[in-house]
Amino acid sequence: ILNVEQSPQSLHVQEGDSTNFTCSFPSSNFYALHWYRWETAKSPEALFVMTLNGDEKKKGRISATLNTKEGYSYLYIKGSQPEDSATYLCASKAAGNKLTFGGGTRVLVKP
Amino acid sequence: EPEVTQTPSHQVTQMGQEVILRCVPISNHLYFYWYRQILGQKVEFLVSFYNNEISEKSEIFDDQFSVERPDGSNFTLKIRSTKLEDSAMYFCASSATGQDTDTQYFGPGTRLTVL
Repeated sequence: ILNVEQSPQSLHVQEGDSTNFTCSFPSSNFYALHWYRWETAKSPEALFVMTLNGDEKKKGRISATLNTKEGYSYLYIKGSQPEDSATYLCASKAAGNKLTFGGGTRVLVKP
Repeated sequence: EPEVTQTPSHQVTQMGQEVILRCVPISNHLYFYWYRQILGQKVEFLVSFYNNEISEKSEIFDDQFSVERPDGSNFTLKIRSTKLEDSAMYFCASSATGQDTDTQYFGPGTRLTVL
């Protein structure tokens, strides 16, 4: 059974501060790790797809790292803004097409 | 920018009724998916569809569920006899290929409420 976990479940960040949170996944039978940003009533927005150990990806103020040997990924938000408030989902892909999702980290950026 | 669309945004139905959830994937994509999220739980995979047939399905996707691509643009999920526990947000997704690095693009979801 592929179990993907995210922590913390939620966090409050002061505007301008940086933050990070974790996604852990089984390192065996690993093919890819996906990150999504999801605002209520909107489509989950694809942020990154990472496959290689040591991968780092960046999109604006958001970046992610991947450690496939120990089975974790960090997502970083630098200089948080209110528009960064959303739920961030990670999903692991093993063999096949399906994504297995974590429970999400809900980020609230306070002005 | 191309996007996945879903209709309706919210569907309310009585237990035992049939529902059809509709999706229009991104036009040049070849792989299609349904996921769902029961309130308070994780997003979970239901089924993937390629070349007019199911390529993978989860244990949730039993005989009550079916998928169809009735024409060149729509992708539907049918639940034959809804149960209370089918209440969830249902997401459609599509990808250009089924490769590991390929992004699955999600629609905004249909919230299904079974009374």
